[in-house]
Amino acid sequence: AQSVTQLGSHVSVSEGALVLLRCNYSSSVPPYLFWYVQYPNQGLQLLLKYTSAATLVKGINGFEAEFKKSETSFHLTKPSAHMSDAAEYFCAVSDRADYKLSFGAGTTVTVRA
Amino acid sequence: NAGVTQTPKFQVLKTGQSMTLQCAQDMNHEYMSWYRQDPGMGLRLIHYSVGAGITDQGEVPNGYNVSRSTTEDFPLRLLSAAPSQTSVYFCASSPRINSPLHFGNGTRLTVT
Repeated sequence: AQSVTQLGSHVSVSEGALVLLRCNYSSSVPPYLFWYVQYPNQGLQLLLKYTSAATLVKGINGFEAEFKKSETSFHLTKPSAHMSDAAEYFCAVSDRADYKLSFGAGTTVTVRA
Repeated sequence: NAGVTQTPKFQVLKTGQSMTLQCAQDMNHEYMSWYRQDPGMGLRLIHYSVGAGITDQGEVPNGYNVSRSTTEDFPLRLLSAAPSQTSVYFCASSPRINSPLHFGNGTRLTVT
């Protein structure tokens, strides 16, 4: 199974500032890659998915992620943070050989007014 | 649009008790899975199913059983609850393996 590392368990940004959440995975073979968001007391919702059609993937709510094979990374960004972006974000990876989706430990985003 | 429905939302058990967490989906998804979420550890896969009658173990299966007699339902059974099973449990489904998951709202379980 894949291993997933999310750098930083907490990120605090000002409203309007760039949001950058880092995700690295273990496989050298391009896997399936996802970002999910979890709002308080809710289940996870899909933000975006890497499909191999393009290295830059656009998701919902203005988020995007860039797949970099050489760095085995799939970092999530949003140019301008909004108060409603306060949530926990999870990177998830599964390789093409098995059915097991591995999640990172999560990064909690706080947005300051 | 019910999606993935989990019951109960909250449960408190004593050590040694057994119970079943229910999960039902109305999207005709073939793939269903159970995760537990613990602070600082993300979500860890307990068991999964790729179709009715087919189940397999995930990363942390000990102490849990599952069955999949229908496409819609995927219950998770705790055989003899332990404090280490205190967690938030999520059921998720998708049309096929490696498709984005649809999550339920979770069951918060406390074992005393």
